[in-house]
Amino acid sequence: GENVEQHPSTLSVQEGDSAVIKCTYSDSASNYFPWYKQELGKRPQLIIDIRSNVGEKKDQRIAVTLNKTAKHFSLHITETQPEDSAVYFCAASRSSGGYNKLIFGAGTRLAVHP
Amino acid sequence: SQTIHQWPATLVQPVGSPLSLECTVEGTSNPNLYWYRQAAGRGLQLLFYSVGIGQISSEVPQNLSASRPQDRQFILSSKKLLLSDSGFYLCAWSSGDRRNEQFFGPGTRLTVL
Repeated sequence: GENVEQHPSTLSVQEGDSAVIKCTYSDSASNYFPWYKQELGKRPQLIIDIRSNVGEKKDQRIAVTLNKTAKHFSLHITETQPEDSAVYFCAASRSSGGYNKLIFGAGTRLAVHP
Repeated sequence: SQTIHQWPATLVQPVGSPLSLECTVEGTSNPNLYWYRQAAGRGLQLLFYSVGIGQISSEVPQNLSASRPQDRQFILSSKKLLLSDSGFYLCAWSSGDRRNEQFFGPGTRLTVL
């Protein structure tokens, strides 16, 4: 079945450094790739997404890249700040009628140290 | 703007007791609705999804059930809770031309003792 693998499971960086989280998906028909940020005890929040017709997307300090040939996509956070500390989930989906099932990665716990 | 509500926020229930969690969405019509469970420190497991009133699809076999009695209401139930049902239950919605994008509710933290 469909699968999304996410690495690393934990990531520790110093404030100001960059952080990169990578995901690989198995379903070649996937065409939508969101990233969620979940702070402790809170709901996952959609922070950025990319569709298969685009190779890169940026929003201030965060960016996502997509390599459809290799079936992997990555989240890049530059100039990390302590408030970036959270668990990040990647996901992949493809349109199927009126329903779009998101397949989530296992998550990456990012710690940004002052 | 759209908002999603879940209640209760926290719940402590004994093993074998029934369960009813409610999710409602405002500001949109005919949304897709989803129930996820998140075990402590783990990822998101899709339990049920619904594309319309009375239409429920189950992703994993378990002792939970879901119902959608109204367009913007989604209910998660159990007749008899198990210890393994403990977790963080999240409702999500998607709608319109951007049905890929799912937005989560605040969640219900369930502890089964």
